[in-house]
Amino acid sequence: DIQMTQSPSTLSASVGDRVTITCRASQSISTWLAWYQQKPGKAPNLLIYKASSLEGGVPSRFSGSGSGTEFTLTISSLQPDDFATYYCQQYNTYPITFGQGTRLEIK
Amino acid sequence: EVQLVESGGGVVRPGGSLRLSCAASGFTFDDYGMSWVRQAPGKGLEWVSGIHWNGGSTGYADSVKGRFTISRDNAKNSLYLQMTSLRAEDTALYHCARGGNNQDFWGQGTLVTVSS
Repeated sequence: DIQMTQSPSTLSASVGDRVTITCRASQSISTWLAWYQQKPGKAPNLLIYKASSLEGGVPSRFSGSGSGTEFTLTISSLQPDDFATYYCQQYNTYPITFGQGTRLEIK
Repeated sequence: EVQLVESGGGVVRPGGSLRLSCAASGFTFDDYGMSWVRQAPGKGLEWVSGIHWNGGSTGYADSVKGRFTISRDNAKNSLYLQMTSLRAEDTALYHCARGGNNQDFWGQGTLVTVSS
């Protein structure tokens, strides 16, 4: 199975900051990577698919990049609504696997 | 409006069985692959199983392979997960989600608790 490793596990930041979350795959997944945001008590929300394609309705401050084994999610200017947990997911190969999550906290 | 509504969760003893259902509406169900994704209390997301739009291809996480079976009824716009030989570590909120690869819409989930 493909292992997905996110870093950091927890990130403290302030409104207006630019933040980057990294996701590494244990083997190449081309660009078959998605990013999700999850708030407490809610279902996950798809932000980015195919590594860099923005899902409809997602603010443009979110962006994704990478290919192969290294990927990043960047939030250009943090808004209060962005404090949540973020997960990467590979869908290159079954079984689909998620990263362990990155909790984005208010500093 | 896309809606996915799960049902069938509950409390079951170790070794028991449960069948989850997901009623889909607001989109053409047989245009999409579907998935089940679970989240244990306080833990991260775990993909459980996925199925092709026509049911012809399925996939499972190693942790459930041989115990869980995914299926769908396109005439009823419904997705199912038959779970057998349940273990304490299967305790989780089970989400139905649209998409056999990435998942662009999610239901709110149905809670499965495996406990004696």
